[in-house]
Amino acid sequence: AAGVIQSPRHLIKEKRETATLKCYPIPRHDTVYWYQQGPGQDPQFLISFYEKMQSDKGSIPDRFSAQQFSDYHSELNMSSLELGDSALYFCASSLGTSGDTQYFGPGTRLTVL
Amino acid sequence: AQSVTQLDSHVSVSEGTPVLLRCNYSSSYSPSLFWYVQHPNKGLQLLLKYTSAATLVKGINGFEAEFKKSETSFHLTKPSAHMSDAAEYFCVVSDQRDYGQNFVFGPGTRLSVLP
Repeated sequence: AAGVIQSPRHLIKEKRETATLKCYPIPRHDTVYWYQQGPGQDPQFLISFYEKMQSDKGSIPDRFSAQQFSDYHSELNMSSLELGDSALYFCASSLGTSGDTQYFGPGTRLTVL
Repeated sequence: AQSVTQLDSHVSVSEGTPVLLRCNYSSSYSPSLFWYVQHPNKGLQLLLKYTSAATLVKGINGFEAEFKKSETSFHLTKPSAHMSDAAEYFCVVSDQRDYGQNFVFGPGTRLSVLP
């Protein structure tokens, strides 16, 4: 069965650079979520989209923005990168029903030097 | 507001012995509860979920969990640990309210399995 696809899987950036992470949800899933997992920490919710509209917002910094496109894929744009942004970024998708299961992608490991 | 407590940050068991990973939650609404497993440098894999049907939920790899509303608990168990079970386990709560409802993760429990 098709799973959530994230690209790139690994990304190395310098401080103050920008990065774009992409997420392709499971086919027919209309809701996408972004999480950030720092080293040794639990995933923290950043933002979610349902039917291309922002549906919930968590601890996403103002330097980050995200959107969901007409084909339901999503992109997380990160600017003015800081050392503390180094983390594993997960995307998850669901059918958008309340409390429905979220299926996670393999993650993008971002390293900021 | 939702929250999740995982009482043990690290659990160590011998191979072939039972596993118990504890989880307590707080939720203002009828919660959905999940257990995810994360192997080193890997993504999050769903083990099982509870969504107001049967209180005893069976998942993959021999794991199961029981929802106890009176105790606000959702402990994860397995009768016999295998070496491949060594991983980080996250208990997750989600309120059944809105579309796109985000998950709230517990801090995780690292399971070590000794030969």
